[in-house]
Amino acid sequence: EPEVTQTPSHQVTQMGQEVILRCVPISNHLYFYWYRQILGQKVEFLVSFYNNEISEKSEIFDDQFSVERPDGSNFTLKIRSTKLEDSAMYFCASRAQGLGGELFFGEGSRLTVL
Amino acid sequence: SQQGEEDPQALSIQEGENATMNCSYKTSINNLQWYRQNSGRGLVHLILIRSNEREKHSGRLRVTLDTSKKSSSLLITASRAADTASYFCATDAHNTDKLIFGTGTRLQVFP
Repeated sequence: EPEVTQTPSHQVTQMGQEVILRCVPISNHLYFYWYRQILGQKVEFLVSFYNNEISEKSEIFDDQFSVERPDGSNFTLKIRSTKLEDSAMYFCASRAQGLGGELFFGEGSRLTVL
Repeated sequence: SQQGEEDPQALSIQEGENATMNCSYKTSINNLQWYRQNSGRGLVHLILIRSNEREKHSGRLRVTLDTSKKSSSLLITASRAADTASYFCATDAHNTDKLIFGTGTRLQVFP
């Protein structure tokens, strides 16, 4: 069964360092997303990506964040200068259609900023 | 204010009992979806109900939607210990391609 894969599963970094989280969405999907979940809390939307550009982003997704789909398979989230409050679980998701379709989530990348 | 809020925040029941979780939202929607999350894992889609539907069933799951009250409920019948997880509702609003998740209900089913 096709699945969304994310790497790394866990990353520990120092405050101020750059982090790149990687995702391989399901191959025939067209819409890609990043969400984050601070431990035990709600799942927060960060950004959606379609047709090689950002379609929507939240207030959380400030200038420190960027996304890229460099090669048609990977979908990356970069945090340029991490802060302590960036510590969270980051989930990549994809879906075949923008409206009305279910989201398929990866298992997440846990980011710990020290 | 949040688009989706579930209640209760936490629910503990015995195996065999039914579990009901509620979700309220604020804006007009195209559909509402329910997801399950085991501790530390990704979210898994359970069921989708469209805005023109009132009730939907899938196995032991029953979802209702009341668009006039902007609310939905998820009923899990004959619960099992393996149903222990967090359950989130998510709304697909008009003119947007993002899903907005609620605050979740943590369900604990005791054997």
